[in-house]
Amino acid sequence: AQSVSQHNHHVILSEAASLELGCNYSYGGTVNLFWYVQYPGQHLQLLLKYFSGDPLVKGIKGFEAEFIKSKFSFNLRKPSVQWSDTAEYFCAVNGRKAAGNKLTFGGGTRVLVKP
Amino acid sequence: DTEVTQTPKHLVMGMTNKKSLKCEQHMGHRAMYWYKQKAKKPPELMFVYSYEKLSINESVPSRFSPECPNSSLLNLHLHALQPEDSALYLCASSRENGEGYTFGSGTRLTVV
Repeated sequence: AQSVSQHNHHVILSEAASLELGCNYSYGGTVNLFWYVQYPGQHLQLLLKYFSGDPLVKGIKGFEAEFIKSKFSFNLRKPSVQWSDTAEYFCAVNGRKAAGNKLTFGGGTRVLVKP
Repeated sequence: DTEVTQTPKHLVMGMTNKKSLKCEQHMGHRAMYWYKQKAKKPPELMFVYSYEKLSINESVPSRFSPECPNSSLLNLHLHALQPEDSALYLCASSRENGEGYTFGSGTRLTVV
């Protein structure tokens, strides 16, 4: 079975601060990894994804994530946040060859950026 | 076309009503999914269709009935729902190996 753990439930920071959100997964095989963002009252938007190749992945809105296979981690980073980054962030994993390609989400991290 | 389209965007229904949620994609994806998202919670998988056949049912109550009429369409038929079924219902599709996972914007369902 696959599972995802996000370490921080809530993060509060000021504009221009750096952001790092932790994500660890559990799965016995090869995985596809995702970060989604959900702004208040809106639907899920894909920030970035990792399937293979360069473990440092760049996404939209200045976000990036690094896949560290030995640590089963896929942490999300942004060097300088803006007020508009206030949202909930979900890490998700899809174990390749898993029946039906089930996408499992972490519990989410609510980020509040103070102006 | 790289979108998953869901209709309606909002739905209010009584506990004795029958309604359907619709989902459509034209990306050639052969896997389609229904997820349920309660407020302040992550999406939870309900059903997976692979090549128009139901491959996963995550122990969803029978008052939710999925249907996949063809490779582009996915429906969720609702009957005798409870107020606790109020949530955002998300449709997604992907290639059969899981790549290209794309979510729709959801249907916000309120059961009264």
